[in-house]
Amino acid sequence: DVVMTQSPLSLPVTLGQPASISCRSSQSLVHSDGNTYLNWFQQRPGQSPRRLIYKVSNRDSGVPDRFSGSGSGTDFTLKISRVEAEDVGVYYCMQTTHWPPWTFGQGTKVEIK
Amino acid sequence: EVQLVESGGGLVQPGGSLRLSCSASGFTFSIYWMHWVRQAPGKGLVWVSHIKNDGSSITYADSVKGRFTISRDNAKNTLYLQMNSLRAEDTAVYYCVRGTFDIWGQGTMVTVSS
Repeated sequence: DVVMTQSPLSLPVTLGQPASISCRSSQSLVHSDGNTYLNWFQQRPGQSPRRLIYKVSNRDSGVPDRFSGSGSGTDFTLKISRVEAEDVGVYYCMQTTHWPPWTFGQGTKVEIK
Repeated sequence: EVQLVESGGGLVQPGGSLRLSCSASGFTFSIYWMHWVRQAPGKGLVWVSHIKNDGSSITYADSVKGRFTISRDNAKNTLYLQMNSLRAEDTAVYYCVRGTFDIWGQGTMVTVSS
């Protein structure tokens, strides 16, 4: 199974400042079709998860452009250019390259300082 | 509007059974793979099971294999999860999720306790 490891697990941020979350996989997420199937999800308090980013760097419809994804192979990053109050929640990375099982990171809790 | 609505959760004793349902609307259900993902209270997301669009391929997490059964009725736009031999560690919110994990339901809570 592919193990996804996120850091940090807790991220206090100041409003308007940038934030960055790292995600590492235990093996390369490059699929035989050439794509890298790494997703990022946001889960606000009391809500269902919402996909923000797919295939490393593609934003879903309606996702603000302050969110960006990057990386390759086994190392990936989610960046928030300027944190807003509505960004509070838990962020998960997830790989859909090697399955089953589909695997998530442990989650990173973003809170406002 | 694209929507997934789960139902069927509740309180059940250890060793008991529950059947979850997920009603899909706003998209062509029959062409999508579907998943169940669960989240124990205060914990992270864990994939549980998947079913291919036509039901021809099914997989399970090791933790539920042999106890849970995923199925679908494309004529009714509905996904199911039959859960047997339930354990305390199955206590979680269960989410119905569309194939590429782009659409999630609101979740249904399953509590296994005596």
